[in-house]
This record gives sequence, C-alpha cells and structure tokens, in this order.
Amino acid sequence: EVQLVQSGAEVKKPGESLKISCKGSGYSFTSYWIGWVRQMPGKGLEWMGIIYPGDSDTRYSPSFQGQVTISADKSISTAYLQWSSLKASDTAMYYCVRHGAVTTVDYWGQGTLVTVSS
Amino acid sequence: QSALTQPASVSGSPGQSITISCTGTSSDVGGYNYVSWYQQHPGKAPKLMIYDVSNRPSGVSNRFSGSKSGNTASLTISGLQAEDEADYYCSSYTSSSILYVFGTGTKVTVL
Repeated sequence: EVQLVQSGAEVKKPGESLKISCKGSGYSFTSYWIGWVRQMPGKGLEWMGIIYPGDSDTRYSPSFQGQVTISADKSISTAYLQWSSLKASDTAMYYCVRHGAVTTVDYWGQGTLVTVSS
Repeated sequence: QSALTQPASVSGSPGQSITISCTGTSSDVGGYNYVSWYQQHPGKAPKLMIYDVSNRPSGVSNRFSGSKSGNTASLTISGLQAEDEADYYCSSYTSSSILYVFGTGTKVTVL
C-alpha cells in the first residue's frame, strides 16, 4: 500500500526557518516524482513544485520559486519542504503528493498544518 | 498561468446527476488528455477520483465519470448521494512553466 506520511503541525514566528517532511512507503521512492501542494485557510489547491528523488531533479511553480526549497533524501525515502524565513502569509496546510506520472497526482499525504504568527 | 476555472458551487437532490465543468486553455486541458479530478471532504486530504480525463482508479464508484471537449473537462456524478457532498478540484498537466495546475474548486451540496 502506497503511503505518504508527513511530519506534524508546526507553529512558528515570522522570520523563523522551517523544514517539514514526507516519508514515502509501499513503492519505489526513487521512481516517482514527489510534489508539494499548498492550501491556504478556506482556499483552493496550489501546486508548488516537484522533485524526482532518483536524481534530485527539481521543478518549481513560478509562484513559489525562490520562496521555498524542495529536497529529498532517497536513503530514507523522505522528501522535504523548507523555508528560510517564514511570513504570516505562509500559514496553510501543506500536502505532499506522489505523481504517478509527472502528469497526474495519484496519492496524497495527510497534510501538515503550518501556522506563522507573532 | 491562472488556475483552471470551475463553478463555485453545484447542487442536486439525492439520486440526481450533476456535472462540474473545468475550463482551461489549449496549453493545458485542451492540449493534453491529462485531466484529473479530486474529492476533498472537510478536514481531509484530497482523493483522486478520475485521471487521464475519464479513467477511474480502483475502488472509485462508477457513479463518477469524466469527459472532455476542447478546452473544457467535465466531471459527472450520477445517482447523487449524501456522501458525495464535498469540494471537487480538477487539475491538468500544462506546457507552461508551472507544469501542473489545479482548478478553482467546486462545492457540491446534496439538497
């Protein structure tokens, strides 16, 4: 069974850094793209970017380029999303997703709620 | 690259059929057969319901079906049930720099 298990909820202050994680299991982690999707409170889904753990090829949506960093450690089947300096507007639920093909998101993690507040 | 356009809300009575539209451009919906649909209940992660325009993953009810005409894709839910009340999002691969785009989302209400 394919599973994406994300790290727990975070409460941070503006300007702080953060790295959240997503551990894949039940499939070959290095053979599928892993992506991140943002959902701000009461809003829709926004695709942020993807990484191919096999060779760390990474692509970003222009809206998120330079705002976040996506990485992966294939030795522990884990992908990451990190911020160097959080803003209040980063408050959202973040989902990691598996792209069954680069063209389709087929599995979702349970989500990590990030709250940024002074 | 803007989000794909969906109606904000659609409603129907139990047993009826409803259709949700998803309008994009020739760079996404119209250019590829890579449209997917997701169902999201409150407080839950989205779930894949349709992929590649009209294919259902294993375990998804055959009451859900997808189609596409030009730059508009559609999701039809037949025999509407109370459990179908949720938010629905379309998505598409896109040739633009963004690579992947979601729709604006549609709230389905079962009357």
